[in-house]
Amino acid sequence: GQNIDQPTEMTATEGAIVQINCTYQTSGFNGLFWYQQHAGEAPTFLSYNVLDGLEEKGRFSSFLSRSKGYSYLLLKELQMKDSASYLCAVHTGGFKTIFGAGTRLFVKA
Amino acid sequence: DSGVTQTPKHLITATGQRVTLRCSPRSGDLSVYWYQQSLDQGLQFLIQYYNGEERAKGNILERFSAQQFPDLHSELNLSSLELGDSALYFCASSAGRTYNEQFFGPGTRLTVL
Repeated sequence: GQNIDQPTEMTATEGAIVQINCTYQTSGFNGLFWYQQHAGEAPTFLSYNVLDGLEEKGRFSSFLSRSKGYSYLLLKELQMKDSASYLCAVHTGGFKTIFGAGTRLFVKA
Repeated sequence: DSGVTQTPKHLITATGQRVTLRCSPRSGDLSVYWYQQSLDQGLQFLIQYYNGEERAKGNILERFSAQQFPDLHSELNLSSLELGDSALYFCASSAGRTYNEQFFGPGTRLTVL
């Protein structure tokens, strides 16, 4: 079957670093997406990992280990506006992408 | 702005009714996806079209149907509506097979009373 697991909720403090984990078991794997979604709004693209390792983009970094079926999203220097849901999604091949349930991040002052 | 448009933005209707949601993909994108997101839930994939043809089906109810027209816009039809159909409905589009980044529209919020 297809399975993507993420923690349901996380809380972190403004200015801190937070790591959101994602584990997956899918029948195919082309790459892994992270999306950000503010409440009531559309998901927006953050990153796409194809190869193992860390990819850094400003305050956000994403890591992938294909052998372990594991990824994480690292957010540094947290800001209040980072309070949102973070969706892990696996591109399994062709046009098929499977989304996890998302992790709701609360950033407190 | 992702370039994907959806209308209407909000829709309020009664149980048993039928509604049509409309989506226009980004210019050049051939593939359209429909998702349902209920309150505090993840994105549930409903159906996907590529250049007018259905390509993948997810957890789409038989009361729901969709199509993609020659100009590539898509419509999602929801009939015999129930209270539980109240949700945000997102449309996304993508260009190619290898990368498949999906660009999401702003969504249609459907409320069934």
